[in-house]
Amino acid sequence: KAGVTQTPRYLIKTRGQQVTLSCSPISGHRSVSWYQQTPGQGLQFLFEYFSETQRNKGNFPGRFSGRQFSNSRSEMNVSTLELGDSALYLCASSLASGTGVNYGYTFGSGTRLTVV
Amino acid sequence: QKEVEQNSGPLSVPEGAIASLNCTYSDRGSQSFFWYRQYSGKSPELIMFIYSNGDKEDGRFTAQLNKASQYVSLLIRDSQPSDSATYLCAAGTGTASKLTFGTGTRLQVTL
Repeated sequence: KAGVTQTPRYLIKTRGQQVTLSCSPISGHRSVSWYQQTPGQGLQFLFEYFSETQRNKGNFPGRFSGRQFSNSRSEMNVSTLELGDSALYLCASSLASGTGVNYGYTFGSGTRLTVV
Repeated sequence: QKEVEQNSGPLSVPEGAIASLNCTYSDRGSQSFFWYRQYSGKSPELIMFIYSNGDKEDGRFTAQLNKASQYVSLLIRDSQPSDSATYLCAAGTGTASKLTFGTGTRLQVTL
């Protein structure tokens, strides 16, 4: 079956711009989580969506936002980009239950964002 | 700050040996634990998960969990050069899908 699809794979943006990243989860997976990965901080949780509702949020500023559509596809938006936002952004889908029990993520290939 | 800690390595083991990767966590509410493997330039892939104290085996991999000591480990038997990667430990609570990841241990399997 198809895996988690993230687009685009690479992105170069200028400081102050905004960016939207897209994620299509594995068919049947209703939970989509977003992570930021940097060499210094590792994987940092951004947020999780389940059935179009944000269920969990990490400690990132309000410039980072997301949403999920009725087909479980998710988008992540970063406004007013800063140099420090340069990172690999990973989307992960999970066959999470309504109670939120985590059976493990399947990650997409990621979007490499470079802010110049 | 709830943390998951791992030794960054590199951990170097000869081909055919057992690699032992360790992880500690601070949140006693953590109930689920995961090991991911990440090759350079690739995204993490799930190796296995464990919820209960004790050992869980899957092929060459064994995960061990000791909740009293807040300790999780991954043993890789008969290590192969293809096992060379960064191994990420992650912990989750039972009622949320959020995982807290360690920064990973880099494993090098030498010929």
